[in-house]
Amino acid sequence: QKEVEQDPGPLSVPEGAIVSLNCTYSNSAFQYFMWYRQYSRKGPELLMYTYSSGNKEDGRFTAQVDKSSKYISLFIRDSQPSDSATYLCAMSARGGADGLTFGKGTHLIIQP
Amino acid sequence: GAVVSQHPSRVICKSGTSVKIECRSLDFQATTMFWYRQFPKKSLMLMATSNEGSKATYEQGVEKDKFLINHASLTLSTLTVTSAHPEDSSFYICSARTSLNIQYFGAGTRLSVL
Repeated sequence: QKEVEQDPGPLSVPEGAIVSLNCTYSNSAFQYFMWYRQYSRKGPELLMYTYSSGNKEDGRFTAQVDKSSKYISLFIRDSQPSDSATYLCAMSARGGADGLTFGKGTHLIIQP
Repeated sequence: GAVVSQHPSRVICKSGTSVKIECRSLDFQATTMFWYRQFPKKSLMLMATSNEGSKATYEQGVEKDKFLINHASLTLSTLTVTSAHPEDSSFYICSARTSLNIQYFGAGTRLSVL
């Protein structure tokens, strides 16, 4: 079993829809959870950074962490074509002090 | 967010040659930088942790003599792929850690070894 599982998609939704992306993980030592957005042939861009269980909201983005289920989610409201990208979940035991463990990434397509 | 610059963005080289990739933190000092590799349709995989002024720590299965890392200043880490072979062709990405323990990534370097 891989440490972090993420459906690679592609996930295609119409503009304006709510998008739900998620990852599961197996290592209970993970405490810090991140979501990065990566456009083709570019480096990952940090979207959300959360610690332990709970919700965090930033504009159209909401990150949720359920440590009891080892499950994290990213919700995107009012999705736009410019949100089309690959979304990577990442996690670690000590935040950015450690190398991050990434999921494969979900390729998201927002249809105009 | 903090800015990390990575250079070159693309390099094509002949088998057996060495290639150096630079990673710079432009607006902050980074005592720790990380090097990752990404194969098509695969996760980013941590290769090594680079600490300023000390030897890099390599992940299991990564050859330290093949992937030389130097972190001589608080804003610059370099990765040198020595005697590159076609199987080393990949997307190499660096990140730099801020004082808040957040990693910001460079734009990546696509290496093609012929």
